Amino acid sequence: DGGITQSPKYLFRKEGQNVTLSCEQNLNHDAMYWYRQDPGQGLRLIYYSQIVNDFQKGDIAEGYSVSREKKESFPLTVTSAQKNPTAFYLCASSWQQNTEAFFGQGTRLTVV
Amino acid sequence: ILNVEQSPQSLHVQEGDSTNFTCSFPSSNFYALHWYRWETAKSPEALFVMTLNGDEKKKGRISATLNTKEGYSYLYIKGSQPEDSATYLCALINAGGTSYGKLTFGQGTILTVHP
Repeated sequence: DGGITQSPKYLFRKEGQNVTLSCEQNLNHDAMYWYRQDPGQGLRLIYYSQIVNDFQKGDIAEGYSVSREKKESFPLTVTSAQKNPTAFYLCASSWQQNTEAFFGQGTRLTVV
Repeated sequence: ILNVEQSPQSLHVQEGDSTNFTCSFPSSNFYALHWYRWETAKSPEALFVMTLNGDEKKKGRISATLNTKEGYSYLYIKGSQPEDSATYLCALINAGGTSYGKLTFGQGTILTVHP
């Protein structure tokens, strides 16, 4: 089945540790996105990538890093510089600019 | 930052009522406007992708219109059902400049349909 997969679903980390969230798609989509959702807020864009080996900062990129070495993969690293990392993270992908985005199931990260 | 605004923030209606929400935006420099439905414990799913001024889309009891000149899109639900309860998200994709391809979401409208 084609789709977009995020893992793990729940993640716990100690404060000060870097953590990497996985996002893999087998839809042959060029564009991939990472969003963060906090309680009572909408989806805020962290990073996005239109093509392999290229990515751009979104609206809240500070404290995060990404890579796009393969078309199907767009991992997000939450670094220790991110002041409030506890949140729900959603990954999405789309084929072209005027086509719909498909979303993964999300990863809920809790930093203690 | 492209400001995509949705209103109202939340809405409670009775089963059978028709309802509508608004998505407003300041610029017409975008490729497409998307509407998504996000049900609890699920992933957001696309309802419509709209690209042209005056574009209208319909899927069952749900329809949407787009007015790029005035900077708004409406989503209509006719005869709301409890299963329509969800968060409805609007999003725009930037067409050019350094933000080419950026997909920006509004805050969403939370719809609750009471039986």
